[in-house]
Amino acid sequence: DTGVSQDPRHKITKRGQNVTFRCDPISEHNRLYWYRQTLGQGPEFLTYFQNEAQLEKSRLLSDRFSAERPKGSFSTLEIQRTEQGDSAMYLCASSLGVMDGYTFGSGTRLTVV
Amino acid sequence: DAKTTQPPSMDCAEGRAANLPCNHSTISGNEYVYWYRQIHSQGPQYIIHGLKNNETNEMASLIITEDRKSSTLILPHATLRDTAVYYCIVSYPHASGGSYIPTFGRGTSLIVHP
Repeated sequence: DTGVSQDPRHKITKRGQNVTFRCDPISEHNRLYWYRQTLGQGPEFLTYFQNEAQLEKSRLLSDRFSAERPKGSFSTLEIQRTEQGDSAMYLCASSLGVMDGYTFGSGTRLTVV
Repeated sequence: DAKTTQPPSMDCAEGRAANLPCNHSTISGNEYVYWYRQIHSQGPQYIIHGLKNNETNEMASLIITEDRKSSTLILPHATLRDTAVYYCIVSYPHASGGSYIPTFGRGTSLIVHP
């Protein structure tokens, strides 16, 4: 297990389409996080899972966004009816303990045209 | 909003120590200071964290002032590959309790030059 994997690396979609991203965390990490990052800004927290339970959701996570982690392993982030403002890098991270540093994936860059 | 203040940019000569400051004057007693860095087009990379004692690992040293209102990340011998955005973060417990979710600011863009 070499780290956190995200798929796809890049996604271009037309406005109004739905997109889904996948994150595979480090296998023994039970905590998983999604962040969004726009150009020139730091990552913004979206949501957090501990095992399969979604424990935290940011106000940034509108009703068009949904995240799942059905078996406490990989996670998916779906955006419905994409808008141009959704264009960003979507980052996934995982950690073992609550105070441990996070391991981030390389992200999925979404472009909505 | 981020609870930390960092200079937007710094530069350092290759081989010299890079000292990156961070102010976190409103830090509370159970909050840790974390440092991450992000190289262009990659996800952030965890560097180090601490509560009140100075910490050192293979990447860097973290110096936290006695009043914990500021800290400094030290890269002892900066290389060109250390050019990145460095984020200083104070972790805090969410209202639902128990989970510490870092809030990233805009960080310091460190440029290491030959």
